[in-house]
Amino acid sequence: AQSVTQPDIHITVSEGASLELRCNYSYGATPYLFWYVQSPGQGLQLLLKYFSGDTLVQGIKGFEAEFKRSQSSFNLRKPSVHWSDAAEYFCALRGNKLVFGAGTILRVKS
Amino acid sequence: GAVVSQHPSRVICKSGTSVKIECRSLDFQATTMFWYRQFPKQSLMLMATSNEGSKATYEQGVEKDKFLINHASLTLSTLTVTSAHPEDSSFYICSASGPGTSGGMDIQYFGAGTRLSVL
Repeated sequence: AQSVTQPDIHITVSEGASLELRCNYSYGATPYLFWYVQSPGQGLQLLLKYFSGDTLVQGIKGFEAEFKRSQSSFNLRKPSVHWSDAAEYFCALRGNKLVFGAGTILRVKS
Repeated sequence: GAVVSQHPSRVICKSGTSVKIECRSLDFQATTMFWYRQFPKQSLMLMATSNEGSKATYEQGVEKDKFLINHASLTLSTLTVTSAHPEDSSFYICSASGPGTSGGMDIQYFGAGTRLSVL
Protein backbone atom coordinates (compact mmCIF):
# COMPACT_ATOMS: atom_id res chain seq x y z
CA ALA A 1 0.00 0.00 0.00
CA GLN A 2 1.09 3.56 -0.57
CA SER A 3 0.25 6.59 1.52
CA VAL A 4 1.31 10.17 2.03
CA THR A 5 1.06 12.12 5.27
CA GLN A 6 1.28 15.85 5.59
CA PRO A 7 1.21 16.45 9.34
CA ASP A 8 0.47 20.16 9.20
CA ILE A 9 -2.96 21.26 8.03
CA HIS A 10 -2.16 24.96 8.33
CA ILE A 11 1.09 26.86 8.57
CA THR A 12 1.51 30.59 8.95
CA VAL A 13 4.82 32.30 8.29
CA SER A 14 5.88 35.90 8.02
CA GLU A 15 6.85 37.27 4.65
CA GLY A 16 10.59 36.89 4.21
CA ALA A 17 10.85 34.06 6.70
CA SER A 18 11.94 30.56 5.77
CA LEU A 19 9.47 27.78 5.18
CA GLU A 20 9.47 24.02 5.58
CA LEU A 21 6.45 21.87 4.77
CA ARG A 22 6.62 18.31 5.96
CA CYS A 23 5.76 15.21 3.97
CA ASN A 24 6.15 11.58 4.98
CA TYR A 25 5.39 8.64 2.77
CA SER A 26 4.90 4.93 2.99
CA TYR A 27 5.73 2.74 0.02
CA GLY A 28 7.47 -0.56 -0.41
CA ALA A 29 9.52 0.32 -3.47
CA THR A 30 11.46 3.26 -4.84
CA PRO A 31 9.17 6.26 -4.54
CA TYR A 32 8.53 8.87 -7.16
CA LEU A 33 7.65 11.99 -5.22
CA PHE A 34 6.10 15.29 -6.16
CA TRP A 35 5.08 18.60 -4.69
CA TYR A 36 2.17 20.48 -6.22
CA VAL A 37 0.72 23.88 -5.34
CA GLN A 38 -2.93 24.83 -5.68
CA SER A 39 -4.28 28.36 -5.53
CA PRO A 40 -7.95 28.77 -4.54
CA GLY A 41 -10.31 27.48 -7.22
CA GLN A 42 -7.44 26.43 -9.43
CA GLY A 43 -5.84 23.21 -10.57
CA LEU A 44 -2.49 21.94 -9.42
CA GLN A 45 0.86 23.23 -10.56
CA LEU A 46 3.92 21.01 -10.34
CA LEU A 47 6.63 22.56 -8.17
CA LEU A 48 9.22 19.81 -8.29
CA LYS A 49 9.73 16.09 -8.50
CA TYR A 50 12.10 13.41 -7.32
CA PHE A 51 12.73 10.25 -9.27
CA SER A 52 16.31 9.29 -8.46
CA GLY A 53 19.79 10.72 -8.12
CA ASP A 54 20.54 13.85 -6.16
CA THR A 55 18.34 13.85 -3.08
CA LEU A 56 18.07 17.63 -3.04
CA VAL A 57 15.87 18.75 -5.90
CA GLN A 58 15.26 22.25 -7.09
CA GLY A 59 11.91 23.41 -8.33
CA ILE A 60 10.18 26.47 -9.62
CA LYS A 61 9.51 29.65 -7.66
CA GLY A 62 12.58 29.13 -5.47
CA PHE A 63 11.35 25.93 -3.84
CA GLU A 64 13.49 22.92 -3.09
CA ALA A 65 12.85 19.56 -1.47
CA GLU A 66 15.07 16.95 0.10
CA PHE A 67 14.43 13.23 -0.14
CA LYS A 68 15.49 11.31 2.95
CA ARG A 69 14.97 7.61 2.52
CA SER A 70 15.89 6.80 6.13
CA GLN A 71 13.13 9.09 7.37
CA SER A 72 10.67 8.37 4.55
CA SER A 73 10.39 12.10 4.10
CA PHE A 74 10.29 14.59 1.27
CA ASN A 75 10.05 18.01 2.90
CA LEU A 76 9.56 21.16 0.89
CA ARG A 77 11.57 24.26 1.72
CA LYS A 78 11.93 27.85 0.67
CA PRO A 79 14.47 30.24 2.22
CA SER A 80 12.34 33.37 1.96
CA VAL A 81 8.58 33.28 1.55
CA HIS A 82 6.70 35.82 -0.54
CA TRP A 83 3.07 36.82 -0.03
CA SER A 84 2.24 35.23 -3.39
CA ASP A 85 3.27 31.83 -2.01
CA ALA A 86 0.08 31.68 0.03
CA ALA A 87 -1.74 28.60 -1.31
CA GLU A 88 -2.31 24.96 -0.55
CA TYR A 89 0.55 22.55 -1.05
CA PHE A 90 0.19 18.87 -1.80
CA CYS A 91 2.81 16.19 -1.55
CA ALA A 92 2.20 13.21 -3.80
CA LEU A 93 3.64 9.75 -4.28
CA ARG A 94 3.46 7.77 -7.45
CA GLY A 95 3.37 4.05 -7.05
CA ASN A 96 0.81 2.24 -9.14
CA LYS A 97 -1.14 5.49 -9.07
CA LEU A 98 -0.63 9.05 -7.88
CA VAL A 99 -1.65 9.43 -4.24
CA PHE A 100 -1.88 12.79 -2.54
CA GLY A 101 -1.43 13.91 1.01
CA ALA A 102 -4.19 15.89 2.68
CA GLY A 103 -2.51 19.18 1.87
CA THR A 104 -1.01 22.02 3.89
CA ILE A 105 -2.50 25.48 3.69
CA LEU A 106 0.17 28.14 3.82
CA ARG A 107 -0.70 31.59 5.07
CA VAL A 108 1.77 34.43 4.74
CA LYS A 109 1.52 37.38 7.06
CA SER A 110 3.04 40.72 6.24
CA GLY B 1 5.78 22.65 -19.07
CA ALA B 2 2.91 20.78 -20.65
CA VAL B 3 -0.45 22.51 -20.72
CA VAL B 4 -3.80 20.95 -19.91
CA SER B 5 -6.97 22.87 -20.58
CA GLN B 6 -10.20 22.06 -18.76
CA HIS B 7 -13.58 23.47 -19.69
CA PRO B 8 -15.86 24.78 -18.35
CA SER B 9 -14.32 26.27 -15.24
CA ARG B 10 -17.68 26.53 -13.55
CA VAL B 11 -21.08 25.05 -14.26
CA ILE B 12 -24.40 25.26 -12.50
CA CYS B 13 -27.11 22.82 -13.46
CA LYS B 14 -30.47 21.58 -12.32
CA SER B 15 -30.86 18.27 -10.56
CA GLY B 16 -31.46 15.45 -13.02
CA THR B 17 -29.58 16.97 -15.92
CA SER B 18 -26.25 15.81 -17.35
CA VAL B 19 -23.07 17.83 -17.49
CA LYS B 20 -20.04 17.28 -19.70
CA ILE B 21 -16.55 18.44 -18.74
CA GLU B 22 -13.74 18.50 -21.28
CA CYS B 23 -10.04 18.01 -20.68
CA ARG B 24 -7.53 18.72 -23.43
CA SER B 25 -3.78 18.37 -23.63
CA LEU B 26 -2.66 21.32 -25.71
CA ASP B 27 0.96 20.60 -26.52
CA PHE B 28 1.50 16.91 -25.98
CA GLN B 29 -0.19 13.60 -26.66
CA ALA B 30 -1.92 12.37 -23.56
CA THR B 31 -1.90 8.61 -23.62
CA THR B 32 -3.41 8.56 -20.16
CA MET B 33 -5.84 10.93 -18.53
CA PHE B 34 -7.06 11.00 -14.97
CA TRP B 35 -10.15 12.41 -13.32
CA TYR B 36 -10.13 13.54 -9.71
CA ARG B 37 -12.72 14.88 -7.35
CA GLN B 38 -11.90 17.30 -4.59
CA PHE B 39 -14.23 18.10 -1.72
CA PRO B 40 -13.83 21.38 0.17
CA LYS B 41 -10.69 21.48 2.25
CA GLN B 42 -9.78 17.93 1.26
CA SER B 43 -7.27 16.32 -0.98
CA LEU B 44 -7.80 14.97 -4.47
CA MET B 45 -9.42 11.60 -4.82
CA LEU B 46 -8.81 9.66 -8.00
CA MET B 47 -12.05 8.72 -9.70
CA ALA B 48 -10.84 7.00 -12.83
CA THR B 49 -7.97 6.49 -15.22
CA SER B 50 -8.46 6.38 -18.95
CA ASN B 51 -6.13 5.33 -21.71
CA GLU B 52 -6.74 6.56 -25.22
CA GLY B 53 -9.04 4.22 -27.10
CA SER B 54 -9.78 2.03 -24.07
CA LYS B 55 -12.47 1.89 -21.43
CA ALA B 56 -11.75 3.83 -18.30
CA THR B 57 -10.70 2.10 -15.11
CA TYR B 58 -12.74 3.33 -12.17
CA GLU B 59 -11.64 3.45 -8.56
CA GLN B 60 -13.57 1.49 -6.00
CA GLY B 61 -16.78 3.21 -5.01
CA VAL B 62 -17.05 5.37 -8.13
CA GLU B 63 -20.21 4.71 -10.13
CA LYS B 64 -19.20 4.17 -13.73
CA ASP B 65 -22.76 4.69 -14.96
CA LYS B 66 -22.98 8.05 -13.27
CA PHE B 67 -19.53 9.31 -14.27
CA LEU B 68 -19.04 8.48 -17.92
CA ILE B 69 -15.52 8.92 -19.21
CA ASN B 70 -14.52 9.02 -22.84
CA HIS B 71 -10.95 9.26 -24.10
CA ALA B 72 -11.44 9.10 -27.82
CA SER B 73 -8.28 10.88 -28.91
CA LEU B 74 -4.79 11.56 -27.67
CA THR B 75 -5.69 15.12 -26.76
CA LEU B 76 -9.22 14.94 -25.41
CA SER B 77 -11.03 13.23 -22.57
CA THR B 78 -14.51 14.02 -21.34
CA LEU B 79 -16.28 13.37 -18.06
CA THR B 80 -20.06 13.34 -18.16
CA VAL B 81 -21.92 13.50 -14.89
CA THR B 82 -25.26 11.89 -15.69
CA SER B 83 -28.48 12.70 -13.87
CA ALA B 84 -26.62 15.02 -11.55
CA HIS B 85 -27.80 15.48 -7.99
CA PRO B 86 -26.75 17.99 -5.32
CA GLU B 87 -24.40 15.46 -3.75
CA ASP B 88 -22.43 15.45 -7.01
CA SER B 89 -21.54 19.10 -6.46
CA SER B 90 -17.79 19.24 -6.18
CA PHE B 91 -14.56 20.39 -7.78
CA TYR B 92 -13.50 18.07 -10.59
CA ILE B 93 -9.93 18.14 -11.85
CA CYS B 94 -8.43 16.31 -14.78
CA SER B 95 -4.82 15.53 -15.43
CA ALA B 96 -2.94 14.12 -18.36
CA SER B 97 0.32 12.36 -18.92
CA GLY B 98 2.11 11.19 -21.99
CA PRO B 99 5.33 9.53 -23.01
CA GLY B 100 8.35 11.63 -22.35
CA THR B 101 6.55 14.51 -20.72
CA SER B 102 9.60 14.74 -18.52
CA GLY B 103 12.81 12.92 -19.19
CA GLY B 104 11.17 9.64 -20.06
CA MET B 105 9.07 9.52 -16.92
CA ASP B 106 5.41 10.31 -17.30
CA ILE B 107 4.30 13.22 -15.20
CA GLN B 108 0.74 14.27 -14.65
CA TYR B 109 -0.14 17.80 -15.63
CA PHE B 110 -3.35 19.18 -14.24
CA GLY B 111 -6.17 21.24 -15.62
CA ALA B 112 -7.53 24.23 -13.72
CA GLY B 113 -10.58 22.31 -12.52
CA THR B 114 -14.34 22.58 -12.91
CA ARG B 115 -16.61 23.70 -10.11
CA LEU B 116 -19.91 21.85 -10.47
CA SER B 117 -22.91 23.07 -8.55
CA VAL B 118 -26.12 21.06 -8.81
CA LEU B 119 -29.25 22.85 -7.65
